[in-house]
Amino acid sequence: SQQGEEDPQALSIQEGENATMNCSYKTSINNLQWYRQNSGRGLVHLILIRSNEREKHSGRLRVTLDTSKKSSSLLITASRAADTASYFCATDPMDTGRRALTFGSGTRLQVQP
Amino acid sequence: SQTIHQWPATLVQPVGSPLSLECTVEGTSNPNLYWYRQAAGRGLQLLFYSVGIGQISSEVPQNLSASRPQDRQFILSSKKLLLSDSGFYLCAWSGKGGTGGSNQPQHFGDGTRLSIL
Repeated sequence: SQQGEEDPQALSIQEGENATMNCSYKTSINNLQWYRQNSGRGLVHLILIRSNEREKHSGRLRVTLDTSKKSSSLLITASRAADTASYFCATDPMDTGRRALTFGSGTRLQVQP
Repeated sequence: SQTIHQWPATLVQPVGSPLSLECTVEGTSNPNLYWYRQAAGRGLQLLFYSVGIGQISSEVPQNLSASRPQDRQFILSSKKLLLSDSGFYLCAWSGKGGTGGSNQPQHFGDGTRLSIL
């Protein structure tokens, strides 16, 4: 099963509103990353948060990490139509020896102008 | 700056035909390289990753294979395509950082949309 699962699967909001997406995972991690994907394109890295960090900001993006609950959230403030995309979390599980991330199934965000 | 090139952008192939998708990276050396497949509206399935020339780790048993003949070249192949091989194929690279690479951001190409008829 997927290590990271995003919630909700789809989200539709009005321009100017905030968008919150959640990610839950099953095993302990070294870090968690969020990516964005415009339709038909590759993924673009947004933020990496390490297991010893609780919150990170980048422009209008805010990511939190709660390792006790094995969950993370991505908040996009003052959303714009250009934020319409799918958003994925990806985890780096501990102690697997695997040099690769595990991606969730994504949240599709639609921002209405 | 680093760039990643993936081609072709779209490909239509008959069942049973061979496949070769190529990915090259510029502006970095000794990257980790990755091949993913994405079904429509779904997340990414890791197919293969490579930490160096000739070193390939396979994640999912299937009729696909990968090779890394040069440091910044990653090739995805099949001898005989199946209908189930249809999908969006993405190549990505990352630096190695201090722990081998999984603590580094991944940088993706624009993908190849493969349709099997």
